[in-house]
Amino acid sequence: NFTLTQPHSVSESPGKTATISCTRSSGSIGSNYVHWYQQRPGSPPTTVIYEDNQRPSGVPDRFSGSIDSSSNSASLTISGLKTEDEADYFCQSYNSSNWVFGGGTKVTVL
Amino acid sequence: EVQLVQSGAEVKKPGESLKISCKGSGYKFTNYWIGWVRQMPGKGLEWMGIIYPGDSDTRYSPSFQGQVTISADKSISTAYLQFSSLKVSDTAMYYCGRSLDFGGNADYWGQGTLLTVSS
Repeated sequence: NFTLTQPHSVSESPGKTATISCTRSSGSIGSNYVHWYQQRPGSPPTTVIYEDNQRPSGVPDRFSGSIDSSSNSASLTISGLKTEDEADYFCQSYNSSNWVFGGGTKVTVL
Repeated sequence: EVQLVQSGAEVKKPGESLKISCKGSGYKFTNYWIGWVRQMPGKGLEWMGIIYPGDSDTRYSPSFQGQVTISADKSISTAYLQFSSLKVSDTAMYYCGRSLDFGGNADYWGQGTLLTVSS
């Protein structure tokens, strides 16, 4: 199995851009889709990016996803940060028999 | 409207058994995978396993294999997460989520079931 490693926390000011990385330990990051979830306290997760870079309807275009084969990582970028973006963010991928979640990143909007 | 509705919060003693449910509505239950995720207090999401109610294909995380049983009753559009002998360390929030494909994202989630195990 592989692991997905995220930074524990990211802090940025309102209006700025926050980027969260998700590094795959083994196997190619591009071999399986990466999905990103937002979780606010006391609520279940919700999808903000699916299939590496697709945005569900209702998710602002301030949220974007990308894959970087050179670093074997995925990234979630939140531009024009708002206080409402303050939450935990989890990446998720899979192999033939397992889902794998990253450890989560707490985004603080200062 | 698609909904996943989970059973209510539980307080149990170590050694007891428990079955948590996740009832789907507003979509064809047999066409989507249902996955289970644990979230311990103040911690991240841990994938426990997944079932495809259409044919009962079930897969478990190595971390949870043998510790829990996942099942589904497609006649009542309900998936289950079963514990045979609870431990204090099972205290957590448990979520179910549905996915169109095994590699797809979980696009709808249940509201969560809070399990407290204490002597």
